[in-house]
Amino acid sequence: DGGITQSPKYLFRKEGQNVTLSCEQNLNHDAMYWYRQDPGQGLRLIYYSQIVNDFQKGDIAEGYSVSREKKESFPLTVTSAQKNPTAFYLCASSRRWNTEAFFGQGTRLTVV
Amino acid sequence: GESVGLHLPTLSVQEGDNSIINCAYSNSASDYFIWYKQESGKGPQFIIDIRSNMDKRQGQRVTVLLNKTVKHLSLQIAATQPGDSAVYFCAENWTSGNTPLVFGKGTRLSVIA
Repeated sequence: DGGITQSPKYLFRKEGQNVTLSCEQNLNHDAMYWYRQDPGQGLRLIYYSQIVNDFQKGDIAEGYSVSREKKESFPLTVTSAQKNPTAFYLCASSRRWNTEAFFGQGTRLTVV
Repeated sequence: GESVGLHLPTLSVQEGDNSIINCAYSNSASDYFIWYKQESGKGPQFIIDIRSNMDKRQGQRVTVLLNKTVKHLSLQIAATQPGDSAVYFCAENWTSGNTPLVFGKGTRLSVIA
């Protein structure tokens, strides 16, 4: 099946630890995105990548890092510099830059 | 409809009635618009899209209306069912610009059985 897969679905980490969220797509999409969603709120863009080996900061990039070494993969690292990391993280991809985005099922990160 | 602030606006409708969810977009240059549905604990799912050269587009039980004059988008759901209960987001895009999709704050639709 083609799709976009995020893992794990739930993740718990201690404060001060870095954590990496996985996002893989087999749709042959050029563009990939990471969003953060807090309870009762909309989607805020963290980072995006228009093409492999390139990525750009979104609206709330501080405390996060990404890489795009392969077309299929766009992992997000939540660093200890992120002041309030507990949230629901959504990865998306689109065939071309700025076309319809398809979303993964999300990773709920809880930092204690 | 959409609103600024921390809490999602909520629309409650009776099962079988029609629902209308509204969205005010911000960029007059936006020329592509998408509606997404997000169920609890899941990622958003594409419902329907529309380009600025159209003012109406219909899907299965859903219709999107675009009013560029007042920068307003609406999603109409016919014969609303319990399975339609979710948060609905509109997204806008200026396809010639160098910015990704911009999402609205979302509206929670609750269907009363």
